[in-house]
Amino acid sequence: DSGVTQTPKHLITATGQRVTLRCSPRSGDLSVYWYQQSLDQGLQFLIQYYNGEERAKGNILERFSAQQFPDLHSELNLSSLELGDSALYFCASSPRPNEQFFGPGTRLTVL
Amino acid sequence: AQSVAQPEDQVNVAEGNPLTVKCTYSVSGNPYLFWYVQYPNRGLQFLLKYITGDNLVKGSYGFEAEFNKSQTSFHLKKPSALVSDSALYFCAVSYNFNKFYFGSGTKLNVKP
Repeated sequence: DSGVTQTPKHLITATGQRVTLRCSPRSGDLSVYWYQQSLDQGLQFLIQYYNGEERAKGNILERFSAQQFPDLHSELNLSSLELGDSALYFCASSPRPNEQFFGPGTRLTVL
Repeated sequence: AQSVAQPEDQVNVAEGNPLTVKCTYSVSGNPYLFWYVQYPNRGLQFLLKYITGDNLVKGSYGFEAEFNKSQTSFHLKKPSALVSDSALYFCAVSYNFNKFYFGSGTKLNVKP
């Protein structure tokens, strides 16, 4: 158990809908990373937050957004969902720059 | 451009034999390199990292990796494979710890 929690574990929704994925980092970790893991594109870095501020952006679509709240939990919002958005979404928290602890992931299925 | 490549989709090895999972990178400047393992329906677990210093890095579960700057490689190795090592292995590279780039993953099959 990494200490990072993600909810929900599974999410099934329809195209065009909007969903919110939640991540609670390990106690004391200020940094949160979001990743998308799909069969055809592997594991892709989406975005990083540090203590509430966006720190780095990767291959994150404009339909996706994220934020980190004062209690350090983070949410990833996915809107206008497409079939291709079906994937595993992981968050990772980090106590220091060269170390990440991954959550168990949220499996999103878009029908 | 920063990228990391894992040239093998799958590696098959017999239990007790040595294993190697390959990783090469293309990053400007000095890279920080990582190996993670993923078991079915689980998140990634950290195995080891190279930040600086000794090119041979020892990690969890008897794994080690060698940083080779001239060949831009960071291959994962283990002297004697176990069936329980069967999993998906990811190499990752970062330049500034803000963005991490992961390889496509290599499925390791260890047969009894």
